[in-house]
Amino acid sequence: GQQLNQSPQSMFIQEGEDVSMNCTSSSIFNTWLWYKQDPGEGPVLLIALYKAGELTSNGRLTAQFGITRKDSFLNISASIPSDVGIYFCAGQEEGSNYKLTFGKGTLLTVNP
Amino acid sequence: NAGVTQTPKFRVLKTGQSMTLLCAQDMNHEYMYWYRQDPGMGLRLIHYSVGEGTTAKGEVPDGYNVSRLKKQNFLLGLESAAPSQTSVYFCASSSTTGKPQHFGDGTRLSIL
Repeated sequence: GQQLNQSPQSMFIQEGEDVSMNCTSSSIFNTWLWYKQDPGEGPVLLIALYKAGELTSNGRLTAQFGITRKDSFLNISASIPSDVGIYFCAGQEEGSNYKLTFGKGTLLTVNP
Repeated sequence: NAGVTQTPKFRVLKTGQSMTLLCAQDMNHEYMYWYRQDPGMGLRLIHYSVGEGTTAKGEVPDGYNVSRLKKQNFLLGLESAAPSQTSVYFCASSSTTGKPQHFGDGTRLSIL
């Protein structure tokens, strides 16, 4: 089935630095979602994108739906220790009426 | 504001035992999903439901059964547990196709 290529797999950064991660696919997606998962908890929705080119912010987080509809990125500005966790991208492929495809996640570590 | 609630949170089974995982959502969502999360594998869809009384297979349905007798509940059953089913199980729900899925906090299941 469709796979999402999420990169990087992990990041180690200093508090205050900006972070960028992205997902790419070989198919066209209608929806891109970004989730964060803290240890021992379920994924929590951060940002949802529905249109090619759409740029959406949620506090220090900004995500964009790529104009080719085959990629998306997430930026975190001025990172803080509580940003630590696993970030997942997910997308709904064109023609799919239910299925979300998930990336394998980016593990973010923030050193205070 | 409960959202998606999963019970139990932890369980240890012996090979061959059976059990049922319960998912309840209070958001009046039509769609419900069961995923398993394994290290390095991301989230994989086991079964899903597009409405009360309906169920369908996802990517990895073997060894699992599901039921959606009430709109707010989605049950995942393991008839004869195997060590390969050791995993973290997540339930999710969404209002309709294309809308973000909201996740519970997971059930951590170990099969000995």
